[in-house]
Amino acid sequence: DAGVIQSPRHEVTEMGQEVTLRCKPISGHNSLFWYRQTMMRGLELLIYFNNNVPIDDSGMPEDRFSAKMPNASFSTLKIQPSEPRDSAVYFCASSPTGTRFGEQFFGPGTRLTVL
Amino acid sequence: AQSVTQPDIHITVSEGASLELRCNYSYGATPYLFWYVQSPGQGLQLLLKYFSGDTLVQGIKGFEAEFKRSQSSFNLRKPSVHWSDAAEYFCAVDFTNAGKSTFGDGTTLTVKP
Repeated sequence: DAGVIQSPRHEVTEMGQEVTLRCKPISGHNSLFWYRQTMMRGLELLIYFNNNVPIDDSGMPEDRFSAKMPNASFSTLKIQPSEPRDSAVYFCASSPTGTRFGEQFFGPGTRLTVL
Repeated sequence: AQSVTQPDIHITVSEGASLELRCNYSYGATPYLFWYVQSPGQGLQLLLKYFSGDTLVQGIKGFEAEFKRSQSSFNLRKPSVHWSDAAEYFCAVDFTNAGKSTFGDGTTLTVKP
């Protein structure tokens, strides 16, 4: 399996622009997580889905952030409008059921810079 | 509130020395426990996990961890550190056994030659 795939790997944009981050989870995994990592705040869970349904979005910082999972193989995290304080590395992770339940498989991350 | 504490922000050890990274969590029941490693510029990778049974668990790369219920701890150990072990280490706890983990703030390991 190719693992969790994230695109783009790097994104540089200007304040006020819309940013869309994409994630393809590992096939067969039914949970998907979006995290944000910064030096100041560490690793923060933004939202997680189970069977494509958002279960907990309490970590989404504000209304500028939205996430969707239209099917089991694709998810997006959108920031509109973006601000410099959104600069961070955004990770997507997926998790299976069965014997490996609870173990999260992380993608390589998207490094976002908002100027 | 449920929390995960990694008391050491940064640890430096010499290559070949032993290593112990601490992790404590707040909760009464037995949660699911994980250690992840993050190399620079990479995502997190699972080292090992504990769900039940033997409280000493073995993981990849020669790491092990011991669950101590009385101390609410899940410390990570390695008998002999290699330079390639330099990375950031995260303890994670699934308090509700529902598949969602709370991560500690991480411990950065530096390995001296």
